[in-house]
Amino acid sequence: EVQLVESGGGLVQPGGSLRLSCAASGFTFSDYEMNWVRQAPGKGLDWVSYISISGNTEYYAGSVEGRFTIYRDNAKNSLYLQMNSLRAEDTAVYYCARYSGSRGDFTYWGQGTLVTVSS
Amino acid sequence: DVQMTQSPSSVSASVGDRVTITCRTSQSISSWLAWYQQKPGKAPKLLIYAASSLQSGVPSRFSGSGSGTGFTLTISSLQPEDVATYYCQQANIFPPTFGGGTNVEIK
Repeated sequence: EVQLVESGGGLVQPGGSLRLSCAASGFTFSDYEMNWVRQAPGKGLDWVSYISISGNTEYYAGSVEGRFTIYRDNAKNSLYLQMNSLRAEDTAVYYCARYSGSRGDFTYWGQGTLVTVSS
Repeated sequence: DVQMTQSPSSVSASVGDRVTITCRTSQSISSWLAWYQQKPGKAPKLLIYAASSLQSGVPSRFSGSGSGTGFTLTISSLQPEDVATYYCQQANIFPPTFGGGTNVEIK
């Protein structure tokens, strides 16, 4: 069974940093592209970042470019999102999602971790 | 970015009714469209990929159709467990974008 378990969310002050983790199991992690998608409270879904299988290619939404960094450790079956210079508008549930490049869909999602940016 | 417009924003129907949700895109995306179901407090779940392909394990009352700029998700016979918000998502043009969501309720 595919499982994605996020952790690392919490309350942080504006301008602060946080690192999210996503532990993968039930599939060969190193065979799949991965993404982070977020959802602000009561709002819709917003794609945040993508990373290739090898980790050599990354893409970011314009709203987080230069502040967030996605990376992965295939030996540890883990995905990460380093978030710096956090803003109130970054408040959201952050989901890691396994991506199907051949189909273009987010096939499996974790349960999400809540990040709250507030003073 | 490709703009995604879902309609209606909410729908209330009786058990057994046919429910149709529409997703329109600002540019042609061929068949690179997926549909997701999100129940309150839960993560999204993939229902349909490539516009009309049913994800494994998803009940056959869900179906998708369309190509280009117009797509539909149909629930052929609404069940109580289908109460959720439904989102479309395009993957033809970077970055991937989602529709605003459609809330489905039981009347």
